[in-house]
Amino acid sequence: DIVLTQSPATLSLSPGERATLSCRASQSVGSFLAWYQQKPGQTPRLLIYDASNRATGIPARFSGSGSGTDFTLTISSLEPEDFAVYYCQQRSNWPPTFGQGTRLEIK
Amino acid sequence: EVQLLESGGGLVQPGGSLRLSCAASGFTFLGYAMTWVRQTPGKGLEWLSTISGSGRDTYYADSVKGRFTISRDNSKNTVHLQMTSLGADDTAVYYCAKEHLRYFDWTALDYWGQGTLVTVSS
Repeated sequence: DIVLTQSPATLSLSPGERATLSCRASQSVGSFLAWYQQKPGQTPRLLIYDASNRATGIPARFSGSGSGTDFTLTISSLEPEDFAVYYCQQRSNWPPTFGQGTRLEIK
Repeated sequence: EVQLLESGGGLVQPGGSLRLSCAASGFTFLGYAMTWVRQTPGKGLEWLSTISGSGRDTYYADSVKGRFTISRDNSKNTVHLQMTSLGADDTAVYYCAKEHLRYFDWTALDYWGQGTLVTVSS
């Protein structure tokens, strides 16, 4: 299975700051990478699919980039509701796999 | 509005079986693959099984292959996960989720149910 490693495990930032989250794959996944947001007590929410495409209803402050093995989720200016856990997920090979998550917390 | 409602979770003894169900509404069910994912604090999110929109194609992670069976009833807009030979490692919250892209089987998941807790313990 393809292993996705997310870093950092925890990111402490303040509202208004820029957040940069990383996801590295154990082998190339092309552009077949998605990002999800999960808040406490809620289910994951699809943010980005195929590396850089925002899902329906996702604000423009969320952007994704990368290809091959290295990917980035950027939140340009953090809003209070953005503090959550973020997961990446690949669909290059079966089974799709998720990273272990990055917790974005308020500094 | 898309809604996914899981049921069937609960406490089961090691070696036992359980059948999870997911009732879907708010979209053209036949056109979309459906997936079961589980989540635990220790192992995180794990993609378990997917069934194509028609039900013809099914996919399983190695961890559940031979023990779990996914099925769907397109006349009732439901998807099921039959789980057998359950062990402690199967303890998790189980989610059903809708495939993001129509006519694709496994790309990303754009709607998730609220989850049902399965606890395997004696």
